[in-house]
Amino acid sequence: DSGVTQTPKHLITATGQRVTLRCSPRSGDLSVYWYQQSLDQGLQFLIQYYNGEERAKGNILERFSAQQFPDLHSELNLSSLELGDSALYFCASSVAGQGPQETQYFGPGTRLLVL
Amino acid sequence: GNSVTQMEGPVTLSEEAFLTINCTYTATGYPSLFWYVQYPGEGLQLLLKATKADDKGSNKGFEATYRKETTSFHLEKGSVQVSDSAVYFCALRQYGGATNKLIFGTGTLLAVQP
Repeated sequence: DSGVTQTPKHLITATGQRVTLRCSPRSGDLSVYWYQQSLDQGLQFLIQYYNGEERAKGNILERFSAQQFPDLHSELNLSSLELGDSALYFCASSVAGQGPQETQYFGPGTRLLVL
Repeated sequence: GNSVTQMEGPVTLSEEAFLTINCTYTATGYPSLFWYVQYPGEGLQLLLKATKADDKGSNKGFEATYRKETTSFHLEKGSVQVSDSAVYFCALRQYGGATNKLIFGTGTLLAVQP
């Protein structure tokens, strides 16, 4: 158990809908990352937050957004869903997000299926 | 840009066989290198890491050495078990600057048969 929690574990929804994925980082970690794992794209970095502020953006679609709250949990919002958004979404956390010794610890993921 | 290349799978071995999964990288500077493992139906678990040249990461009988001269970080285990069956991901992280994201290889499926 990494200490990172994600809810829900599974999500089934229809095209055009909007969903929210939630992540709670390990105790003491200030940085949260979101990744998408799909069959065609592999594991791709989406976005990073540090202590409530957006720090870096990767291949995140405009239909997707995220935020990190004062209690450090994070939410990833996916809207106008398309079939191609079906994937496993991982959250990871690390202490500060910098330095060579930093390690990202991953949650169990949320499996999203768009029908 | 930065990238990671892993050997194609699946890799099928008999129990107690020797395992090597090749990983090479392209990066500027000195990235940190990681191996993560994904067991069936589960999330990613950190297996081992190395943060500078010639460092050896090790855990649960797995080892990998950071080779700057060959830009490689091959994963090895002397005697695999059925319980090692999983997908293994090599990853690099370029620290400093605006992002500390992990860049992953495509993953290598390992199947160990009794």
